Amino acid sequence: NAGVMQNPRHLVRRRGQEARLRCSPMKGHSHVYWYRQLPEEGLKFMVYLQKENIIDESGMPKERFSAEFPKEGPSILRIQQVVRGDSAAYFCASSPARPEAFFGQGTRLTVV
Amino acid sequence: AQSVTQPDIHITVSEGASLELRCNYSYGATPYLFWYVQSPGQGLQLLLKYFSGDTLVQGIKGFEAEFKRSQSSFNLRKPSVHWSDAAEYFCAVRRAAGNKLTFGGGTRVLVKP
Repeated sequence: NAGVMQNPRHLVRRRGQEARLRCSPMKGHSHVYWYRQLPEEGLKFMVYLQKENIIDESGMPKERFSAEFPKEGPSILRIQQVVRGDSAAYFCASSPARPEAFFGQGTRLTVV
Repeated sequence: AQSVTQPDIHITVSEGASLELRCNYSYGATPYLFWYVQSPGQGLQLLLKYFSGDTLVQGIKGFEAEFKRSQSSFNLRKPSVHWSDAAEYFCAVRRAAGNKLTFGGGTRVLVKP
C-alpha cells in the first residue's frame, strides 16, 4: 500500500505564476488535508476535503488559494499569482475514518 | 481555540543519553495527541498517538510518551538516543470530534557523538 504521494517534490515559480500541487491519498482514504510549513515554523492547517467537498477551509488565505478533491484523481492545491511569501513546504495528509493522519513527503515551493 | 506549546526550540543531547521533549496543550477537553518526527527535507512520520486508556504510550523507534491530564502535557521520551534520532519533532493535537491537527512549533534535536 503506497503512502501519500505528493508531486512535484520541488517546484520553482516566478512571481505572478500559478502553482499546482498534487496529492494522491493512501488507498482507501477519503479524507485529505493540506498544511503549510513556513521556514523554521510548525505546520499550519489550511484545508480539509472529502471527495468533491470542502469540509473546512478555515486556514486557507482568502485570495489566490483554492483546493479541490475531485471524484477521480488527486487532490489539487492551487496558488494563483504566487508571491515570495508563498514560499514554503506544503504537506498533504490523508486519513480513513480513524483520527490519525498520514503525511506525504511534501512539495517545497520556491517563488523567485 | 486549541494551542500547542513546545517550549524547547533546540535540544542537544549526547548519543546514548536520554531525551525528553516537552509538549503542553491548551484545550477544554482531552484531545487526541500525537508526536511526529520530521527528518531534513522529508515529510512527517507518526511516532505515537494517544486517544484514551493507558496514559503511557509506546511508539516506534523506542519512543514513549506520557499523557498527564493535570498538567495538560504529553512529553516524549527516549531512554537512549541514537545519531539517527537527530530530526525535528512535532507535537500535535486534534479535537476528538474534529479533523484538523494543531501543531506545536517543533523541537529540533541535535545528537552529538
